[in-house]
Amino acid sequence: SQQGEEDPQALSIQEGENATMNCSYKTSINNLQWYRQNSGRGLVHLILIRSNEREKHSGRLRVTLDTSKKSSSLLITASRAADTASYFCAPSEGSGTYKYIFGTGTRLKVLA
Amino acid sequence: GAGVSQSPRYKVAKRGQDVALRCDPISGHVSLFWYQQALGQGPEFLTYFQNEAQLDKSGLPSDRFFAERPEGSVSTLKIQRTQQEDSAVYLCASSLDRGTDTQYFGPGTRLTVL
Repeated sequence: SQQGEEDPQALSIQEGENATMNCSYKTSINNLQWYRQNSGRGLVHLILIRSNEREKHSGRLRVTLDTSKKSSSLLITASRAADTASYFCAPSEGSGTYKYIFGTGTRLKVLA
Repeated sequence: GAGVSQSPRYKVAKRGQDVALRCDPISGHVSLFWYQQALGQGPEFLTYFQNEAQLDKSGLPSDRFFAERPEGSVSTLKIQRTQQEDSAVYLCASSLDRGTDTQYFGPGTRLTVL
């Protein structure tokens, strides 16, 4: 079934470095969302990218989408300790649907 | 409102008790979703409302789970005869119009069943 699968499962970097997280999915999508979740907190929406878009930026975040490879990536540039969190991608389940299927996330740790 | 709110934030129930979890979506948001998140996992879809209509309840794990949104705003997720496997964080999300828009999540209710 459709599910966002993030890679790597865990990532540890030094403050100031860039962090790249990847997401793969199985079937065609309408759009794909990226979320951040700090420990014990709710999910914070980062970026929604639609199937006809290839790249979106928001501050230090850059998301790409390659529908031919059924993959997306999230790049965080110049990381900060406050970026430490779990990051989830959520592709829509098929086209034109409201249902998003989350993976298990990438746990990012940024060391000061 | 400023964001999606949920109450209570924490709930401890004895096995067999009924619980009710509340979600206040962002004002004016048509679509509302409930998710269940187990420890170390991503959220799993439970159910979807468009206004007061429950259009999809395919993710509800059993008939002990019931959700309602009678006036198209506040929603309640009820779990009857709670079991230990119901222990999880229950997240509510809302989106402005169609369900394909950005979903904004609340802080969640952490349910622990003893």
